[in-house]
Amino acid sequence: RKEVEQDPGPFNVPEGATVAFNCTYSNSASQSFFWYRQDCRKEPKLLMSVYSSGNEDGRFTAQLNRASQYISLLIRDSKLSDSATYLCVVSHTGTASKLTFGTGTRLQVTL
Amino acid sequence: ETGVTQSPTHLIKTRGQQVTLRCSSQSGHNTVSWYQQALGQGPQFIFQYYREEENGRGNFPPRFSGLQFPNYSSELNVNALELDDSALYLCASSFGQIPTHNEQFFGPGTRLTVL
Repeated sequence: RKEVEQDPGPFNVPEGATVAFNCTYSNSASQSFFWYRQDCRKEPKLLMSVYSSGNEDGRFTAQLNRASQYISLLIRDSKLSDSATYLCVVSHTGTASKLTFGTGTRLQVTL
Repeated sequence: ETGVTQSPTHLIKTRGQQVTLRCSSQSGHNTVSWYQQALGQGPQFIFQYYREEENGRGNFPPRFSGLQFPNYSSELNVNALELDDSALYLCASSFGQIPTHNEQFFGPGTRLTVL
């Protein structure tokens, strides 16, 4: 079983739609949680951190459920420019602060 | 941009060969992490270097090795290349021995193809 699991998609949605991505993680010692965005053939870039209290950044809302080991990302009013792969990421601080990535969920926003 | 640079951008090698990939960290950063991203997969942690010492390693064989130099730039070496080593190799620059993820800035990557 992978440490971080995501539905690979693709999710094809029309512009203006609301779309939600979910992921689960298996390591209960995980301490930090994030969503990264990766455009085709580019490096991953941090989209937002995820907190138990939930956090919002413009059209993006992230939520963490530690009891269920579940992370979500909601995108409202989708734009064409949101088309990308969204990577669910966890880390647990030990000797090294390694990031553990999910496979990613591909989003395609269409006209 | 992040200020993290990697070279070369693309590389083609044949099975059994050796390869060296390079990463220059962002100014002020002293930690470099390396990740391998196969097609259709998320990046996987290879190892991390902090102040010229290996500071953690993922599930990769010993033929994956690295170095960090006094200026904190880093190299990833892969010996006896296999077809499955074909991937995008990413380095991430950060500050401190146990950096928070917020401080990990990724370079554009080196795309390695093994024939």
